[in-house]
Amino acid sequence: EPEVTQTPSHQVTQMGQEVILRCVPISNHLYFYWYRQILGQKVEFLVSFYNNEISEKSEIFDDQFSVERPDGSNFTLKIRSTKLEDSAMYFCASSEWWAPSGAFFGQGTRLTVV
Amino acid sequence: GENVEQHPSTLSVQEGDSAVIKCTYSDSASNYFPWYKQELGKRPQLIIDIRSNVGEKKDQRIAVTLNKTAKHFSLHITETQPEDSAVYFCAASKTNTGNQFYFGTGTSLTVIP
Repeated sequence: EPEVTQTPSHQVTQMGQEVILRCVPISNHLYFYWYRQILGQKVEFLVSFYNNEISEKSEIFDDQFSVERPDGSNFTLKIRSTKLEDSAMYFCASSEWWAPSGAFFGQGTRLTVV
Repeated sequence: GENVEQHPSTLSVQEGDSAVIKCTYSDSASNYFPWYKQELGKRPQLIIDIRSNVGEKKDQRIAVTLNKTAKHFSLHITETQPEDSAVYFCAASKTNTGNQFYFGTGTSLTVIP
């Protein structure tokens, strides 16, 4: 069964450093998303990406964040200068070419900022 | 933006009993409502969904109902089993190029053997 895959599974970084979280969405999906989940809390929307551009973003997704689809398979989230409060599980998700449809989540990257 | 509220935050049921989780949404333009199950330390997994042109959908022991007028939808799990224990999230979205999902705050379901 096709899956969304994310790397790394766990990333530890020092405050102020840049991190890049990587995702490979399901191949026939055209909508891509990043969500984050602080431990014990709900899943929060960060950004959606469609047709090679950001289609929506939340207030969490400020200038420190950026997304990119550098090739036909990868989808990345970059945090330019990490803060302690960026520590969370980051989930990539993708959904099919037609909307509405459910989003399929990757296994997540646990980001720890120290 | 959309605001999704979910109740209860925790729910304990005896094995074999039914569990009901309720969500409300604020944006009448929302037209798609998926439910996700998240086991501890794992990814959210889509378990059932419903579109706004349907009032009820059932898949084995799981059913979802939607009341568009009242802007609420519910998840029903019958004959609960210990493996149903997890956190369940409802979500709402509307058809647009973003198709983003607004999640509820989650319900931690414990099925007691």
